[in-house]
Amino acid sequence: GEDVEQSLFLSVREGDSSVINCTYTDSSSTYLYWYKQEPGAGLQLLTYIFSNMDMKQDQRLTVLLNKKDKHLSLRIADTQTGDSAIYFCAEEGYSSASKIIFGSGTRLSIRP
Amino acid sequence: SQTIHQWPATLVQPVGSPLSLECTVEGTSNPNLYWYRQAAGRGLQLLFYSVGIGQISSEVPQNLSASRPQDRQFILSSKKLLLSDSGFYLCAWKGTAHRYGYTFGSGTRLTVV
Repeated sequence: GEDVEQSLFLSVREGDSSVINCTYTDSSSTYLYWYKQEPGAGLQLLTYIFSNMDMKQDQRLTVLLNKKDKHLSLRIADTQTGDSAIYFCAEEGYSSASKIIFGSGTRLSIRP
Repeated sequence: SQTIHQWPATLVQPVGSPLSLECTVEGTSNPNLYWYRQAAGRGLQLLFYSVGIGQISSEVPQNLSASRPQDRQFILSSKKLLLSDSGFYLCAWKGTAHRYGYTFGSGTRLTVV
């Protein structure tokens, strides 16, 4: 079945770049997503990338997609304390029929 | 614009008591609706999803059930809660535009004591 994997924790210094990585197994994935969850809140869609794209940039966020390796990454430039959250990678494909499969989430913490 | 409402925000229930969590969506029709559970420090577990009124798909066998009595209403229920039902429950909807993914409600923190 489909699976999405992420590392559980990442710690970066304030002002540095954060890179959160994700791998997925569904080769028919069409859309891939990054969500952000702040403490006690629901998930907020940060950005998405269509599977025929290699890169997408949106202000401080850069998404890279390596479809051959089924690897997705989210880079946050100039990381701020407000970026502290759990980041979820998710994928949707034809084989997942109306479902988006989420990774386990990466908890990003910021060091002063 | 579309909005999703989920209540209550927090709930403390004794073991063996019933449960009813409600989720409603506004500003869209015929959405796909989803219930997820997030255990403390864990990822999201898809519990149920629905592509239409009365249509419920269960992802994992458990002590919970779901119903969709109206197009924009999704209810998560239990007849008798277990301690293991504690967690953060999230409702979400997805329209036809894939690029928007899911829109999540603000969640219900359920503690079974």
